[in-house]
Amino acid sequence: SQKIEQNSEALNIQEGKTATLTCNYTNYSPAYLQWYRQDPGRGPVFLLLIRENEKEKRKERLKVTFDTTLKQSLFHITASQPADSATYLCALSGGSYIPTFGRGTSLIVHP
Amino acid sequence: NAGVTQTPKFRILKIGQSMTLQCTQDMNHNYMYWYRQDPGMGLKLIYYSVGAGITDKGEVPNGYNVSRSTTEDFPLRLELAAPSQTSVYFCASSYSTGGIYNEQFFGPGTRLTVL
Repeated sequence: SQKIEQNSEALNIQEGKTATLTCNYTNYSPAYLQWYRQDPGRGPVFLLLIRENEKEKRKERLKVTFDTTLKQSLFHITASQPADSATYLCALSGGSYIPTFGRGTSLIVHP
Repeated sequence: NAGVTQTPKFRILKIGQSMTLQCTQDMNHNYMYWYRQDPGMGLKLIYYSVGAGITDKGEVPNGYNVSRSTTEDFPLRLELAAPSQTSVYFCASSYSTGGIYNEQFFGPGTRLTVL
């Protein structure tokens, strides 16, 4: 069955460092991969989308890579700030436009 | 634009009661979705709709029903509420068509407790 894995342990980093979050998947050939941010008590907010034929996408301090051979996406936040503390969800979609979400990884940025 | 709105924000139900969770979007999106999120878990798809009059089951549809009579509204009906339906419910919408996929916009959620 399709499986999406995100690190269940919280990632703790110091302010100013680069945070790297991982999303691995099995038994899946996604056409799209997305990253969302979710704050406590709120709905997820879209951050970045990358297509299967794209290797990397950037937006301001955010960077996403997509390796369909390794079946992995890496999500980077450079120059991290305490305000970046949140849970980050990855979501994969095939051609049906119906995404499947991972459990998310909590990021805590310490001042 | 208000985006995706959900009502109510909170609700406590007794076992066996029924209720409808409301969801409205004002972005003219064709796709709408209902998810539930349990503590420490990801979003699980309950039902989705690709347009008015068309709905389909997601991963966890049992105990729920939906309808989509207009582009804007996608209510979720809980019949005979059970404690296992205690969760946070999120509605989302997106516009995707003809090989163009766009991101989802989520509502603020409804926190439901069944006692």
